[in-house]
Amino acid sequence: EPEVTQTPSHQVTQMGQEVILRCVPISNHLYFYWYRQILGQKVEFLVSFYNNEISEKSEIFDDQFSVERPDGSNFTLKIRSTKLEDSAMYFCASTRDSYGYTFGSGTRLTVV
Amino acid sequence: GENVEQHPSTLSVQEGDSAVIKCTYSDSASNYFPWYKQELGKRPQLIIDIRSNVGEKKDQRIAVTLNKTAKHFSLHITETQPEDSAVYFCAASTLSGNNRLAFGKGNQVVVIP
Repeated sequence: EPEVTQTPSHQVTQMGQEVILRCVPISNHLYFYWYRQILGQKVEFLVSFYNNEISEKSEIFDDQFSVERPDGSNFTLKIRSTKLEDSAMYFCASTRDSYGYTFGSGTRLTVV
Repeated sequence: GENVEQHPSTLSVQEGDSAVIKCTYSDSASNYFPWYKQELGKRPQLIIDIRSNVGEKKDQRIAVTLNKTAKHFSLHITETQPEDSAVYFCAASTLSGNNRLAFGKGNQVVVIP
């Protein structure tokens, strides 16, 4: 079964540093998403990406966040200047038909 | 935006019994309702979903029912097994373009052997 892959699995960074979280969605999928989950809480929508542009973003996705699909396979989430409250599990997801998401295994981001 | 509430927060059941988790949603335009199972430290995995044009869907021991009028939907797990122990998240969205999912807070289901 095809998978969404995410790297790294765990990232520790100092407050104020930039981080890039990487995702390789399933190859024939068209819609791409980033969600995050703070420990013990619900999964929260960050941003959706379709046709090489952001289609929707949440209030969490402020100017510190950006996404890119630089080469047709990778889908990255960049946090420019990390804050302590950015510590969370970040999940990438993709879907072909805008339903039936496949989630990646996540990147645990720890900001110290 | 859509607001999804999920109850109860924790559910303990004896192995072999049934478990029912209920969710309510606020946006009457929502028409797609998936359920995800998340084991500790792992990714959410889709276990069943339902669209608003049907009232019930079943897949082996798992079923989902939808009441559009009352804006609630439920997950039913029959003949529970220890491997059913996990956090279950409901979600809702409108099947249009982005399909942004709004998740509930999750239910910790514990199946006692």
